[in-house]
Amino acid sequence: QSALTQPPSASGSPGQSVTISCTGTSSDVGGYNYVSWYQQHPGKAPKLMIYEVSKRPSGVPDRFSGSKSDNTASLTVSGLQAEDEADYYCNSYAGSNNYVVFGGGTKLTVL
Amino acid sequence: QVQLQESGPGLVKPSETLSLTCTVSGGSISTDYWSWIRQPPGKGLEWIGYIDYSGNSKYNPSLESRVTISIDTSKNQFSLKLSSGTAADTAVYYCARPSMGPAFDIWGQGTMVTVSS
Repeated sequence: QSALTQPPSASGSPGQSVTISCTGTSSDVGGYNYVSWYQQHPGKAPKLMIYEVSKRPSGVPDRFSGSKSDNTASLTVSGLQAEDEADYYCNSYAGSNNYVVFGGGTKLTVL
Repeated sequence: QVQLQESGPGLVKPSETLSLTCTVSGGSISTDYWSWIRQPPGKGLEWIGYIDYSGNSKYNPSLESRVTISIDTSKNQFSLKLSSGTAADTAVYYCARPSMGPAFDIWGQGTMVTVSS
């Protein structure tokens, strides 16, 4: 069982927006602004898409955005494209003892 | 730019120690933190631990009793040892660089390790 809870699946049609949630506790997501999101295509390594809740690394399209409210972080993908179909994982800093925890992942399907 | 490459045996017998090495190229290992992360087949990501350039390390509490991460700055490499392997340790193992807090911005391609007799 993963420390952070994500829905197992999400879907949307091309051009639409979809939001994926990541729920933790006050000891991780709610306690720090260190939530990150990763995109993973089959057989590939994860790719960092969002860090520090809402910041995008260079090269990540602005269609990807992140936010947080209390113990739940969210990743929104706007203007869905076929290449956005992938697994998405969140992670959060969880204090000096646990350091970092991951969500179980969400499979995003572009219909 | 910095690149990471994992190497090591793809098959480990039960009860034996899994050993992997990550080689850092395109930059110095002596300036950052370095981590190991694994992903069992069809499952999610699990952080194993990290080490810094001084050799200070931190491990996932669930694995701490079996994990050792070490660093060799002369070779620009860091390594993972996971003792008493079981089938549950079968996974793709990634080395990665955490920056900006625990945001892993650089990943190796991953290496599959199977624990089986």
